[in-house]
Amino acid sequence: AQTVTQSQPEMSVQEAETVTLSCTYDTSESNYYLFWYKQPPSRQMILVIRQEAYKQQNATENRFSVNFQKAAKSFSLKISDSQLGDTAMYFCAFMKSYGGSQGNLIFGKGTKLSVKP
Amino acid sequence: DTGVSQDPRHKITKRGQNVTFRCDPISEHNRLYWYRQTLGQGPEFLTYFQNEAQLEKSRLLSDRFSAERPKGSFSTLEIQRTEQGDSAMYLCASSLAGSVTDTQYFGPGTRLTVL
Repeated sequence: AQTVTQSQPEMSVQEAETVTLSCTYDTSESNYYLFWYKQPPSRQMILVIRQEAYKQQNATENRFSVNFQKAAKSFSLKISDSQLGDTAMYFCAFMKSYGGSQGNLIFGKGTKLSVKP
Repeated sequence: DTGVSQDPRHKITKRGQNVTFRCDPISEHNRLYWYRQTLGQGPEFLTYFQNEAQLEKSRLLSDRFSAERPKGSFSTLEIQRTEQGDSAMYLCASSLAGSVTDTQYFGPGTRLTVL
């Protein structure tokens, strides 16, 4: 069975600074996807960034980038130039890939990020 | 382009009552997922559909839970004889299987409180 671990229940960062959220996972699968989702207070979950396990290049989306270490089963999220709107719960998630037919997401417990002015 | 919608947004019920939630996915999406999220936890998978077929159910989905997607469009999740432990946020997500990204897009959730 796959597991996802987020070891930082809460973090805070000053506006405009950089913060890194940690995520490790355990799987015996070779084909899978990894995601970071953001859940702002009382608002719905939205996708921040995704990474295909077969790709060596780390994914980047504007101020968000990941450090994907497949051998170490590590998938951290770096947020640059933090903004007040980045305040949210951040969930790391894993999804198996069966030759193009994907399945359900397995989530970590989340990291509550507070961006302070 | 409308996103995933869920109804109701909040539901308060007494223990032992039945409740039903509805999810309307993004119109062209053929996959629909149900998750449950309790306070301080990440969402946990319950079940998913591809079109009208229910392809997978979690062990978390007890016999009191049933989900349908009769015409491959909207889906309902029914909980019979609710228990206090059923109190949670129920999230629906949809995706387009076979697409380049196959990303799951989430709805706002239905928050259930069982008294």
